[in-house]
Amino acid sequence: DAKTTQPNSMESNEEEPVHLPCNHSTISGTDYIHWYRQLPSQGPEYVIHGLTSNVNNRMASLAIAEDRKSSTLILHRATLRDAAVYYCILRASGGSNYKLTFGKGTLLTVNP
Amino acid sequence: GAVVSQHPSWVICKSGTSVKIECRSLDFQATTMFWYRQFPKQSLMLMATSNEGSKATYEQGVEKDKFLINHASLTLSTLTVTSAHPEDSSFYICSATKSYSNQPQHFGDGTRLSIL
Repeated sequence: DAKTTQPNSMESNEEEPVHLPCNHSTISGTDYIHWYRQLPSQGPEYVIHGLTSNVNNRMASLAIAEDRKSSTLILHRATLRDAAVYYCILRASGGSNYKLTFGKGTLLTVNP
Repeated sequence: GAVVSQHPSWVICKSGTSVKIECRSLDFQATTMFWYRQFPKQSLMLMATSNEGSKATYEQGVEKDKFLINHASLTLSTLTVTSAHPEDSSFYICSATKSYSNQPQHFGDGTRLSIL
């Protein structure tokens, strides 16, 4: 599986935007970029995913670099409930293997 | 939508006991379910991939006779930890997905297993 690199931790203030970076320089043309987050003592939660174009949903935005070697998850206004570990994962399309390989992710701390 | 229910949430039992964990997709049919294990302060490690009606595919280093997986229907997969020992104590998490490669996985809330 192609690998992703994320900062170990980031800190933000409540109600401010947060930009979580992810590098994936070995991404292949058919890899989707998925983001999940895990709150303490819970299973992961799907946040957003994309292939080439920027994506928006009710939770966040995903900005994908033109060369697709990096992406940024954007939380427009951080709340205390957004404090979690955020995982950036590449997932191959096609075939029958839909598994996700989790790295260490970024621990986001939100200050009140 | 896309809710996955995992039961039980936590279990404490004696060494040597077998423990069964259920994973249900409540509002969609999951052709594929996954089982993960997570130790404290670590990331999720995939244990096995379970497809409805066929044998599970285990990741390298995971004992298939120790961790029995049954995916009998499109909405239910079970993981049985057989003859559990203290080193099996961990947070076990399941996920389910539809059969399209760009669809997200939907996770249960996990089962915290403590073996005394």
